[in-house]
Amino acid sequence: DTEVTQTPKHLVMGMTNKKSLKCEQHMGHRAMYWYKQKAKKPPELMFVYSYEKLSINESVPSRFSPECPNSSLLNLHLHALQPEDSALYLCASSTGVGSYEQYFGPGTRLTVT
Amino acid sequence: SQQGEEDPQALSIQEGENATMNCSYKTSINNLQWYRQNSGRGLVHLILIRSNEREKHSGRLRVTLDTSKKSSSLLITASRAADTASYFCATAMGGSEKLVFGKGTKLTVNP
Repeated sequence: DTEVTQTPKHLVMGMTNKKSLKCEQHMGHRAMYWYKQKAKKPPELMFVYSYEKLSINESVPSRFSPECPNSSLLNLHLHALQPEDSALYLCASSTGVGSYEQYFGPGTRLTVT
Repeated sequence: SQQGEEDPQALSIQEGENATMNCSYKTSINNLQWYRQNSGRGLVHLILIRSNEREKHSGRLRVTLDTSKKSSSLLITASRAADTASYFCATAMGGSEKLVFGKGTKLTVNP
């Protein structure tokens, strides 16, 4: 199984809502990532988890809260988002951190109203 | 900040033609990777070339790496309409835990 799954595919939320994005992989990868991608831009790294521990936080606002419950799952908890947070949120995984090829999920299209 | 810069930003060709896109980067790297992204979807890894390699092939893809010029090129031969996508280079620097993506080249292959 070389697939990374993400749910939901689409999410519309108000600025006062709390929601979560989910990501799952069963490739035995020990590194997992969250990226944010705006239209016509490259993915921007948000968080890196290595062996279920947060190893990189790219100065992401606290309204985004990552969680890695186990080696296969990665969540991104959302609270009090702003309209400018509307974007495609991509999850990825790799064998290890750094130089390894990354496997991406299809993304969650988030709209904040 | 972006490490890689792709050139051109957009490329439109006819089916059957070859497509070449370039990537330049700024610092020394462990490897350089190319990814494809179809509109609004996840990225797909295409090929990885290590810093001690000069050329690599995968099917219709040919990647070159010139570390002296800090540049790489991706050649897609005999392009198909299904190759229409955005293509990103991504660099992995020594000691870093992350990939840094370039701005991307949007390729359109017209049938």
